[in-house]
Amino acid sequence: DAGITQSPRYKITETGRQVTLMCHQTWSHSYMFWYRQDLGHGLRLIYYSAAADITDKGEVPDGYVVSRSKTENFPLTLESATRSQTSVYFCASRGLAGGSETQYFGPGTRLLVL
Amino acid sequence: AQSVTQPDIHITVSEGASLELRCNYSYGATPYLFWYVQSPGQGLQLLLKYFSGDTLVQGIKGFEAEFKRSQSSFNLRKPSVHWSDAAEYFCAVDISGGSYIPTFGRGTSLIVHP
Repeated sequence: DAGITQSPRYKITETGRQVTLMCHQTWSHSYMFWYRQDLGHGLRLIYYSAAADITDKGEVPDGYVVSRSKTENFPLTLESATRSQTSVYFCASRGLAGGSETQYFGPGTRLLVL
Repeated sequence: AQSVTQPDIHITVSEGASLELRCNYSYGATPYLFWYVQSPGQGLQLLLKYFSGDTLVQGIKGFEAEFKRSQSSFNLRKPSVHWSDAAEYFCAVDISGGSYIPTFGRGTSLIVHP
């Protein structure tokens, strides 16, 4: 199916475990983003990628790692999960047509760290 | 640096009443402006966007927004709210010149009373 998908949709893990959240888009968009959404904070950018093999930090990158070996995939890894990383994570993508380009969001992954 | 302010955390309206959600921004160049909606348990969906031309922009689901440069505002309006409009609404700003990294407001939660 065309679009942007995230997996898993729900995840429960324990403190200290490594967790990887997957994001896949079918539009060949150049830009991809990871956000976390927390009550009172809105959306905060974790990492973004301008193209394959190009990634950069956002507002809240600590404790997260990303990679982008293929244009369509942008996984987010929590190397050692902490309770403060309990959140809803959204992946997004957009094309390269300038600042007016729309971002498209995935459905989100709800992560609970115990 | 660009920033976006949504002054209202919650807005409550009765079904059939008119709605206005506020968005103010600060920017260093001509902005691109967006409104997104997030229904419960869903990702964000674009309602409308402005990047040039007519300052009154029509979007999906009967929403419109007006860009007012003198007030640095991009308020979202709807003449008659439906119960299904209950959701979280996010304003976003992207400066022209290609930052490609939009800044999101913290969101306004819309509650609709029957």
